[in-house]
Amino acid sequence: SYVLTQPPSVSVAPGKTATITCGGDNIGSYSVHWFQRKPGQAPVLVMYDDSDRPSGIPERFSGSNSGDTATLTISRVEVGDEADYFCHVWDSSSDYVFGSGTKVTVL
Amino acid sequence: QLQLQESGPGLVKPSETLSLTCTVSGGSISSSDSYWGWIRQPPGKALEYIGTVFYSGSTYYSPSLRSRVAMSVDTSKNQFSLKVTSVSAADTAVYYCVRLLKVGRKFDRWGQGTLVTVSS
Repeated sequence: SYVLTQPPSVSVAPGKTATITCGGDNIGSYSVHWFQRKPGQAPVLVMYDDSDRPSGIPERFSGSNSGDTATLTISRVEVGDEADYFCHVWDSSSDYVFGSGTKVTVL
Repeated sequence: QLQLQESGPGLVKPSETLSLTCTVSGGSISSSDSYWGWIRQPPGKALEYIGTVFYSGSTYYSPSLRSRVAMSVDTSKNQFSLKVTSVSAADTAVYYCVRLLKVGRKFDRWGQGTLVTVSS
């Protein structure tokens, strides 16, 4: 089955840049989507098809995908960006696959 | 703004049936560009895709749960439902209802999730 690997946590100071990775075998050949989950709230899609932002998502959020790593980048991080971030893909053999999630802490 | 909200018992006894309903508001469940589905996350474990249902009633279930899962849709109420039979402690999880867009196969709308505990 296809596996996505994320770092458990990322810490970043306000105003700096947070980089969240999602690793998978040849993940560059997949469309990668990212969602943000805050406690007690519905998860929110923040990036789709590697690098497209849904309406309402700030331009500070950007994405890329190449080789074995997809990346979600949050520029000029704000306290409100503190959340868990998950990547997911659809794989023909494994159905929908999710990363284990990365907790972003704003120091 | 489309919103999804899960409802159902938070406690289910082992061997019984878990039943959840998702109410869709701010949009129609009878959309040809979307599927409606369920994802769960057991405590300390990864998110797991359960399956999807189309407004026509056609379904797709993950092979790992196929023998115990059933989904249905009620277009008159703008709701869809999940049943998991013969539950055990392994089915204890936060259950999310979701919208899956056909284009791009992405989950673009989520409910906030509901914890279901299987315990006697």
